[in-house]
This record gives sequence, structure tokens and C-alpha cells, in this order.
Amino acid sequence: KAGVTQTPRYLIKTRGQQVTLSCSPISGHRSVSWYQQTPGQGLQFLFEYFSETQRNKGNFPGRFSGRQFSNSRSEMNVSTLELGDSALYLCASNFQETGGPYEQYFGPGTRLTVT
Amino acid sequence: GQQVMQIPQYQHVQEGEDFTTYCNSSTTLSNIQWYKQRPGGHPVFLIQLVKSGEVKKQKRLTFQFGEAKKNSSLHITATQTTDVGTYFCAGRPGNYGQNFVFGPGTRLSVLP
Repeated sequence: KAGVTQTPRYLIKTRGQQVTLSCSPISGHRSVSWYQQTPGQGLQFLFEYFSETQRNKGNFPGRFSGRQFSNSRSEMNVSTLELGDSALYLCASNFQETGGPYEQYFGPGTRLTVT
Repeated sequence: GQQVMQIPQYQHVQEGEDFTTYCNSSTTLSNIQWYKQRPGGHPVFLIQLVKSGEVKKQKRLTFQFGEAKKNSSLHITATQTTDVGTYFCAGRPGNYGQNFVFGPGTRLSVLP
């Protein structure tokens, strides 16, 4: 099976702009989570989608939003970018067999730099 | 809210030495996961622990979940240079549907 795909891999934006990041999960996986990783704050949970519905949300401002499509692909959007939004944005494709562990398979991430 | 801490923040070992990282949660966990992230890479799932006092082994790696389900440890025996990276624990509270909270990670350096 192909792994988790994230596009673009690198992005440079200026303050005030908005950005959309894309994630294609592993085939057959219906749940996708998004994380922000920074040296100062570590890995922080943004949101999780399952079958096109947001199942869980982290403590991020409303400028951060996401959605999931019927083919399980997911996008996250950040509006009115701030310098502090510079980070590695990781998408995880989630899978759990009945009685098995809840496994998160991370993609390579999108490195966003806000100038 | 729930907090997950890890110690130490950094660890430098000589190849062949053992290594242990500890993870502590402010709240009881339903389960805990461990991930490894190589420099420049992304986190890779290693294991999930669910039961109180559970111990699992993967070759040279031993994972333990505390009796109170609030702490966990990862022990690597006879480290190798391929063990270099940051090890994260991620804890999930008792209620279904809540997200995993990641610890800050322990960065391991192995000197050949």
C-alpha cells in the first residue's frame, strides 16, 4: 500500500495570507488527524476527521480549519497567517482493527514558513 | 488539561550502552503509544500499551506501562547508531474519542 501523502512538502507564505495543505491517507483508512510540530511546543493536536466528520478538535484558534472528503482525503486551512504558524504540519492516517491498537501513520509533513 | 512530560530531554550515550526514557501523565490514561522520529523525518509508530503493568518487547526495546496507568517507560538495551532520534510518548485519556497528547520527546544521540 502507498503511504501517507502530503502536499506541498514545503511552503513559504507571508503574514496575512492563507494556506491550504492536503493529505491523502493510506488506502482504506477513514480517519485522519492533523498535528502541528514546532521546536518550542512539540507535537500539538489540531483535529481529527472520520468519514468526513470532525471527531475531535485541539486548542487552536478558529483560523485553523479542516475538512475531509468522501475519498478520505483531507485538507487543512490556515487563514490570516502569523509568524508563529511557521511549523511542520503532520497528517496521520489512523487505523484500528477490532481489539487492536489505534495506530497513527504519519506522513512526511508540510514545512510551512511564514515571513 | 492533560499534560504529558518526558525525561530526560536529551540523552547522549556511547554505542552499546543502555538508554531509558520516562513518560508521566497528569491524568490516568486509557492507553499510551510510543513513536520514534529520526532527524528530518516524521514520527513512526512503535507500540501501544493498554493494560496496567503491561510490558512489551520489540527486539532490544522494552516498553512498560505503569500500574496506575499514569506513567510509562521505554528502555533500549545495547544502543546502536540506528537508534538515534527523538522518542515520543503519546497518552490518551480514559474517555473514548479524546485525542492523544504527545510528550515533548527525548532526543537520543548515540556516539560510535
